[in-house]
Amino acid sequence: AQTVTQSQPEMSVQEAETVTLSCTYDTSENNYYLFWYKQPPSRQMILVIRQEAYKQQNATENRFSVNFQKAAKSFSLKISDSQLGDTAMYFCAIRDNAGNMLTFGGGTRLMVKP
Amino acid sequence: DAGITQSPRHKVTETGTPVTLRCHQTENHRYMYWYRQDPGHGLRLIHYSYGVKDTDKGEVSDGYSVSRSKTEDFLLTLESATSSQTSVYFCAISASGGNQPQHFGDGTRLSIL
Repeated sequence: AQTVTQSQPEMSVQEAETVTLSCTYDTSENNYYLFWYKQPPSRQMILVIRQEAYKQQNATENRFSVNFQKAAKSFSLKISDSQLGDTAMYFCAIRDNAGNMLTFGGGTRLMVKP
Repeated sequence: DAGITQSPRHKVTETGTPVTLRCHQTENHRYMYWYRQDPGHGLRLIHYSYGVKDTDKGEVSDGYSVSRSKTEDFLLTLESATSSQTSVYFCAISASGGNQPQHFGDGTRLSIL
């Protein structure tokens, strides 16, 4: 069984600053995929970024980047130049190679303050 | 945005009544999923489908059944709704497994009184 833990229920950051959201996971698989999803108040689930476990290079998507530490089973999300529109719940998730199950963490509520 | 439509968007019903939620996709994706979202739990998988008439259980499948008679439609049924099934339900689709992300519908808020 796979598990995902997000230890920060709530965080806040000033507009234009940088914030890092933590995520740790556990899996017995050697090959797997990690994702960060954003859920704004509109309730939509929006894919932010993804990482393949076999790739050592950290994924980057514009202002969003990850710090993937495979040995430590850690997958943190860094948001640079935070914007008011980044205010949302953020979920970390893991998917095994068979791809049939996406396991989510409990989420981190991020508030970006003006 | 992925073409996923969930219906209804909101529903209020009484304990013991049957409820069916529908997920319709226009992407011709093989995989479809039903999740429920509750505070503190993130999203938890109820059932998924890997093809027409091919379904399997997820983490929280008790009290739920699913059917997929066409590629584009995946139905979630609560045979006799209970208050513990009050939740927000999300459908998701994926072209394949592995690194292909799942794309989500807008969710259905279900309240069981």
